[in-house]
Amino acid sequence: DSGVTQTPKHLITATGQRVTLRCSPRSGDLSVYWYQQSLDQGLQFLIQYYNGEERAKGNILERFSAQQFPDLHSELNLSSLELGDSALYFCASSVGRQGNDGYTFGSGTRLTVV
Amino acid sequence: GENVEQHPSTLSVQEGDSAVIKCTYSDSASNYFPWYKQELGKGPQLIIDIRSNVGEKKDQRIAVTLNKTAKHFSLHITETQPEDSAVYFCAASIADDMRFGAGTRLTVKP
Repeated sequence: DSGVTQTPKHLITATGQRVTLRCSPRSGDLSVYWYQQSLDQGLQFLIQYYNGEERAKGNILERFSAQQFPDLHSELNLSSLELGDSALYFCASSVGRQGNDGYTFGSGTRLTVV
Repeated sequence: GENVEQHPSTLSVQEGDSAVIKCTYSDSASNYFPWYKQELGKGPQLIIDIRSNVGEKKDQRIAVTLNKTAKHFSLHITETQPEDSAVYFCAASIADDMRFGAGTRLTVKP
């Protein structure tokens, strides 16, 4: 157990639907990062939050949004889902805002859009 | 922004042999270089990292070397074991920006 908790582990939904992925960071970590990993692909950075505020944005689609709550857990909302959104979504956390103390990844949410 | 290239994309070695994975980065200001191991069905796990003020770091059978002049860094695994089979990702970081390589699938044949 890495200390980063992601729920649900698996999610199957239909095209056009909306889903919410949840992440609880490791105790003491203030930064949360979201990554998308498609089949046999690398890790695509989506967005980072630090202590409740958006810190950095990557290749996140307009259909996707995220937030970090006062208790530091984060949610990634994916709407108007398309088949191509099927992927593993990872959350990672770090102590600082810059991540150069290493990321701790959760075990991911596997999203399947049918 | 930073660009990280990783080679090879796949690597197969015999148990007991060494494995080397290489990464290059584009921004000379990058100062933190972690390596992650991702086993099947799991999230990436940090296995070793190095900062720009250090040339080499070892942890048991794994080591990382950094050549700042050439802007490349490498992961070395000695005496490979079947449990080393996984996908390995390198990354380079400047401030808020952490960029990952595309990954190397390492297979260790018993």
